[in-house]
Amino acid sequence: GAVVSQHPSRVICKSGTSVKIECRSLDFQATTMFWYRQFPKQSLMLMATSNEGSKATYEQGVEKDKFLINHASLTLSTLTVTSAHPEDSSFYICSAQTGTNYGYTFGSGTRLTVV
Amino acid sequence: RKEVEQDPGPFNVPEGATVAFNCTYSNSASQSFFWYRQDCRKEPKLLMSVYSSGNEDGRFTAQLNRASQYISLLIRDSKLSDSATYLCVVDGRNDYKLSFGAGTTVTVRA
Repeated sequence: GAVVSQHPSRVICKSGTSVKIECRSLDFQATTMFWYRQFPKQSLMLMATSNEGSKATYEQGVEKDKFLINHASLTLSTLTVTSAHPEDSSFYICSAQTGTNYGYTFGSGTRLTVV
Repeated sequence: RKEVEQDPGPFNVPEGATVAFNCTYSNSASQSFFWYRQDCRKEPKLLMSVYSSGNEDGRFTAQLNRASQYISLLIRDSKLSDSATYLCVVDGRNDYKLSFGAGTTVTVRA
């Protein structure tokens, strides 16, 4: 089946630094990828929709200058958390639509801890 | 009001028991409904789609009630491996975005 590879799975960084998370579709082309954030015991919240070759669409309340998204190819989308702060510590997950009827595949997630 | 609401549980049941729980959604125009399973600190994985006529997959049965805007999941003959958080997922918009419930935690004990 369709596989979405996400790296790194876990990262610890210092406040003020930037962290890049990669999401790759391994055996299919993904023109659209989605980036979610999940805080403990809460639902996945959509942050942005990443579109290949164009600007990402951000959800209300998500700072586009802080969460930089690049979708330069049909198989790779990246999320960069810039100037990270402890409150950015969360579980970040990407997903891609794999076909019709809203089939989605999720990456394995990245647990970010900002110290 | 949240787009998707679930009873967080936890539902603690013995092996072999039946457990059922619901999820309500706010957008009456929603067309696609899913149950995902999420294990601790892992990504969600599709358990089953939910069809208008209701559907069954082994020990799992999903039902959709459009009039009352809720979907349900029933697990029969619970196994220890069924312990997880079950996420109700709804797509109610034209741009293929999903809305997630916060999840219902099920713990099956020996």
